Amino acid sequence: SYVLTQPPSVSVAPGQTATITCGGNNIGSKNVHWHLQKPGQAPVLVVYDDSDRPSGISERFSGSNSGNTATLTISRVEAGDEADYYCQVWDSGSDHYVFGTGTKVTVL
Amino acid sequence: VQLQESGPGLVKPSETLSLTCSVSGGFIYSYYWSWIRQPPGKGLEWIGYIYNTGSTNYNPSLRSRATISEDTSNNRISLRLTSVTAADAAVYYCARVYGGGTHFDYWGQGLLVTVSS
Repeated sequence: SYVLTQPPSVSVAPGQTATITCGGNNIGSKNVHWHLQKPGQAPVLVVYDDSDRPSGISERFSGSNSGNTATLTISRVEAGDEADYYCQVWDSGSDHYVFGTGTKVTVL
Repeated sequence: VQLQESGPGLVKPSETLSLTCSVSGGFIYSYYWSWIRQPPGKGLEWIGYIYNTGSTNYNPSLRSRATISEDTSNNRISLRLTSVTAADAAVYYCARVYGGGTHFDYWGQGLLVTVSS
């Protein structure tokens, strides 16, 4: 089965840039999506198809995808960005949806 | 579009878990609908999906214990999980896959299920 690997945690100071990686075999050939989840809440889509943002999502969230790594970048980090972030893909080989292991972003 | 999970919050070991996802603000037809779960303190796990005429696919880790069905007349999606154990305790979410895409664009609020005798 397809595996997506994320760092368990990322710490960043307010106003700085947070970078969250998502590693997978040839992930650059897939569409990668990112979901944000705050404690006690359902996940929310923040980036889809590698780099597109849903309506209402801040432009501070951006994404890229190439080779074996996809990246979510949060610019000018705010305290409200503190959450768990999950990457997600659809694996065409198995017709399964797959989530990454999740990254907890802490704002210092 | 709004999704709302419902069902028992407590299930006994070895019994069957049955959950329903009620969809409002849109029809379930022509979309992929998934169930996803999250054990306490852990990450998201995809359970399976259903599409249109009942086409389904499941996470093999569930070893054929999961069944997803749809009720188009009442705009609902259901999940049955048999022979539950403590490892099945989790928040269960239903979610919609964006039409023509592969991302989950709408999520339910989630339902916490505890497994205990």
